[in-house]
Amino acid sequence: DMKVTQMPRYLIKRMGENVLLECGQDMSHETMYWYRQDPGLGLQLIYISYDVDSNSEGDIPKGYRVSRKKREHFSLILDSAKTNQTSVYFCASSPGTGRGAETLYFGSGTRLTVL
Amino acid sequence: GQQVKQSSPSLTVQEGGISILNCDYENDMFDYFAWYKKYPDNSPTLLISVRSNVDKREDGRLTVFLNKSGKHFSLHITASQPEDTAVYLCAAGVNQGGSAKLIFGEGTKLTVSS
Repeated sequence: DMKVTQMPRYLIKRMGENVLLECGQDMSHETMYWYRQDPGLGLQLIYISYDVDSNSEGDIPKGYRVSRKKREHFSLILDSAKTNQTSVYFCASSPGTGRGAETLYFGSGTRLTVL
Repeated sequence: GQQVKQSSPSLTVQEGGISILNCDYENDMFDYFAWYKKYPDNSPTLLISVRSNVDKREDGRLTVFLNKSGKHFSLHITASQPEDTAVYLCAAGVNQGGSAKLIFGEGTKLTVSS
């Protein structure tokens, strides 16, 4: 069963704490993404990863970093979280090759609240 | 600025009618266009997509129209049903060897009333 798994589903942190959001996929997809969704702004791309240790900034990378040491796993890290990073974070993956190469498969999202 | 824009935050259509969702983009280099559907507290899922070499694609009740000169694409849903009620996100991107760095619009909340 094709799946993108995000952990945790809900997270509350205090300003200044470090945050780790985890994402896994079982489809051997090359490309993985982190987006955040805010009201009225749709999905904004934070980072894209084309494969292990091949990461590229998206449109809003400031305040975030990522790690991809295995193809099936992509982490988003917030060093010293800020209140304006309160959002819903979606991880996604895409095959990168073949039919439907560009199709994004999304995880269920992590709702992060920074107090 | 917003590279992909959905100017209508909401749309209400009667059951059985045609829902028309619109999306405008700025980047001439975009060559891949898609519509995603999102229910509350759920993740977006792909509905339909087109490459820039076609100007129309049909799939059941769904049709995507692409107007490259106007930098505009739209999703038409015929025979709209209450279960079509959801947020619809348009997305556009440049195909880079299979991967597309997709830029999403703000979303349009479609309500189909019975």
